[in-house]
Amino acid sequence: DADVTQTPRNRITKTGKRIMLECSQTKGHDRMYWYRQDPGLGLRLIYYSFDVKDINKGEISDGYSVSRQAQAKFSLSLESAIPNQTALYFCATSDDRTFYGYTFGSGTRLTVV
Amino acid sequence: AQSVTQLGSHVSVSEGALVLLRCNYSSSVPPYLFWYVQYPNQGLQLLLKYTSAATLVKGINGFEAEFKKSETSFHLTKPSAHMSDAAEYFCAVSPYNTDKLIFGTGTRLQVFP
Repeated sequence: DADVTQTPRNRITKTGKRIMLECSQTKGHDRMYWYRQDPGLGLRLIYYSFDVKDINKGEISDGYSVSRQAQAKFSLSLESAIPNQTALYFCATSDDRTFYGYTFGSGTRLTVV
Repeated sequence: AQSVTQLGSHVSVSEGALVLLRCNYSSSVPPYLFWYVQYPNQGLQLLLKYTSAATLVKGINGFEAEFKKSETSFHLTKPSAHMSDAAEYFCAVSPYNTDKLIFGTGTRLQVFP
């Protein structure tokens, strides 16, 4: 099994619908992150969580919300999806003791029509 | 604010030629620096990282990068390109004591036979 698992892998949804992207990890890391990737823009941070009770906005949090259900689970929600939220979404984790970068999931490709 | 700039959104090389992907960062103190690779339809995989130890860092698949403080650069090189190196490469910086990654916009590497 992958260290960081994202579901679904692909999703097409309609404008105005609520959608949740899920992330679970077996790394035992406290820190989890959500990024979106757009062509030509790289990856931009949406939300991050350094432990279950610590959730923080990233640079592009408008239109998104998150839930940290447990150390291993970090979900991203789009309350009312819009077409410009069409993107590739990545979840990542990092070790809280020594920061040596992230372990990424395989991504969720979301299309809002 | 900390940032990272990748010069050249597309780089094309012939198989066997030198690969050079450029990355410059802005930071008031030496940050941690990373290179990630993304193969088609996959997540990001860590190639190498600089965490204030040796300035020449060797990574996987024959890649290496040199941290040059005077030039605020962390360019990625490989002496001889292989067809399997075709992918998108991201440089990322972790500003001091933040445990977050700021990504560049990526460079797509094409390798021609």
